[in-house]
Amino acid sequence: EVQLVESGGGLVQPGGSLRLSCAASGFTFSSYWMSWVRQAPGKGLEWVANIKQDGSEKYYVDSVKGRFTISRDNAKNSLYLQMNSLRAEDTAVYYCARDLVGDSSGYYSGYFDYWGQGTLVTVSS
Amino acid sequence: EIVLTQSPATLSLSPGERATLSCRASQSVSSYLAWYQQKPGQAPRLLIYDASNRATGIPARFSGSGSGTDFTLTISSLEPEDFAVYYCQQRSNWPQGTFGGGTKVEIK
Repeated sequence: EVQLVESGGGLVQPGGSLRLSCAASGFTFSSYWMSWVRQAPGKGLEWVANIKQDGSEKYYVDSVKGRFTISRDNAKNSLYLQMNSLRAEDTAVYYCARDLVGDSSGYYSGYFDYWGQGTLVTVSS
Repeated sequence: EIVLTQSPATLSLSPGERATLSCRASQSVSSYLAWYQQKPGQAPRLLIYDASNRATGIPARFSGSGSGTDFTLTISSLEPEDFAVYYCQQRSNWPQGTFGGGTKVEIK
């Protein structure tokens, strides 16, 4: 059974940092692009960042470029999101999500077929 | 940036009725569009990808159509568990994927 379990969320002051983790199981983690998607309270979904199977390519939404860093450890089946210089508008539930297609050659579908349960990040003083 | 506009914002229907949800893109996304369902307190669930392909395990009452800039998600006969929020998502300019604002399907 595919499982994605996020952790690391919490309350942080503006300007602070937080590191989110996503533990993956039930599939060959190293074969999939992985993404972080967030949802502000009562709002819609926003793609945040994604990373290629081998970690060689990383992409970010403009609003987090230079502040957030996505990474992965295929040996530990884990995905990470380092968030620095946090702002109130970063307050959201953060989901890790798996690409629909697993392909070690680097292919992606751009769709998300499995999601974690989410971890809440609250940026407030 | 490709903007996805979903309509209506809220759809009030009764179980057994047909639901028709719309998603319009600000520029062509070819057939690179997906639909997700989200219930309160839950993560989104992939329903449809590439405009018309049902994801694994999705009931046949869910169908998607469209290409270019105009897309439709149809639920042929609403079941009680279908009342939720639905989002469209495009991957035409991947790795920048964007979502629409959502349509809430509520019980009338």
